[in-house]
Amino acid sequence: DAKTTQPNSMESNEEEPVHLPCNHSTISGTDYIHWYRQLPSQGPEYVIHGLTSNVNNRMASLAIAEDRKSSTLILHRATLRDAAVYYCILIPNSNSGYALNFGKGTSLLVTP
Amino acid sequence: AAGVIQSPRHLIKEKRETATLKCYPIPRHDTVYWYQQGPGQDPQFLISFYEKMQSDKGSIPDRFSAQQFSDYHSELNMSSLELGDSALYFCASSLKKGLTYEQYFGPGTRLTVT
Repeated sequence: DAKTTQPNSMESNEEEPVHLPCNHSTISGTDYIHWYRQLPSQGPEYVIHGLTSNVNNRMASLAIAEDRKSSTLILHRATLRDAAVYYCILIPNSNSGYALNFGKGTSLLVTP
Repeated sequence: AAGVIQSPRHLIKEKRETATLKCYPIPRHDTVYWYQQGPGQDPQFLISFYEKMQSDKGSIPDRFSAQQFSDYHSELNMSSLELGDSALYFCASSLKKGLTYEQYFGPGTRLTVT
């Protein structure tokens, strides 16, 4: 399975943009890039996903490199509530559903 | 909107006892997943079910078993409990027939084995 690499931790000031990087140099052509986050004492929650094109939703934006070997999750204005562990996960394009391989995510600290 | 329900939220058992964790997926979701998260660890996939059939298996000990019932709820049965089984157990559900395969997680069951 293709692996992802993320920094262990990042810090941001409240109301500033945050760029969370993820390297996935062995990604296959049909792997989708998913991001989940886990707030303290809660279950993980879906953030965003994409295949080749950049994606936007109400929570975040996902910028995918042209060669797809890296991607960046962008939180446009960090809030204290965004303090969480962020996981970048590759999902094969499969009709049988998938299991999330969380790996080591990035712990985001947001300071007032 | 309805979310994934897990019960109980907290469970304390002694070594060698058995435990049963329950998961009620979001209505109309057809796939259920179980994850284990040890203290200070990342969640690890255990097992999943699609339309009541086991669809994928991760690092689930042989002492654990699970099933999905006709109403789509799922139960994780854990026998001969060990201290190392103390963890948060998350259930997630998704709609396989949808386009995004997003998984929605429940609040988790915290199991403590003493």
